[in-house]
Amino acid sequence: AQSVTQPDIHITVSEGASLELRCNYSYGATPYLFWYVQSPGQGLQLLLKYFSGDTLVQGIKGFEAEFKRSQSSFNLRKPSVHWSDAAEYFCAVGAEGNTPLVFGKGTRLSVIA
Amino acid sequence: EPEVTQTPSHQVTQMGQEVILRCVPISNHLYFYWYRQILGQKVEFLVSFYNNEISEKSEIFDDQFSVERPDGSNFTLKIRSTKLEDSAMYFCASFRGGLYEQFFGPGTRLTVL
Repeated sequence: AQSVTQPDIHITVSEGASLELRCNYSYGATPYLFWYVQSPGQGLQLLLKYFSGDTLVQGIKGFEAEFKRSQSSFNLRKPSVHWSDAAEYFCAVGAEGNTPLVFGKGTRLSVIA
Repeated sequence: EPEVTQTPSHQVTQMGQEVILRCVPISNHLYFYWYRQILGQKVEFLVSFYNNEISEKSEIFDDQFSVERPDGSNFTLKIRSTKLEDSAMYFCASFRGGLYEQFFGPGTRLTVL
């Protein structure tokens, strides 16, 4: 069955520290991978996506993610976190065409001074 | 930049009542979706719609749910007789096709009392 696992429910980091959010997927077809961010009471904003090619993808707000097929992972990273990055982060997987996305349960990021 | 819009932002209803959630997808997109997120849980797929018919639906999308594209711009989700467990954030998404991502609206928070 298709699934996405985000093992960390809640992560707290200090402002300026580096960040890595983990995502593992199980998907039968060639996966298309996404990271979305959701601020409280808001919708889902796309941070970055991976379809093919270079396995290190750059996104908005200084985020990047690396696709590792051997580990079925697509971890999200940021070298220096800002207080405004506090939000819920969702990893999602889909496929080519009109395929519904399968989401992970999300990781809530808190940023402390 | 074009965006997906949803109305209302918050709907409160009594159990057993019918509700209609409205979405205006991005104008040149071809595929439309409804997802829901129960508070504190992951985003789950409900239904996808293409060429004026349902292309896929999840097991959540039972006979109490229906979707419609009544004109060239709106995309609606109707819940015929709401239950307490229908309380959730409902997201509409649209997709152009090809190597693009799904764009999500800001969501409608449905509260069933």
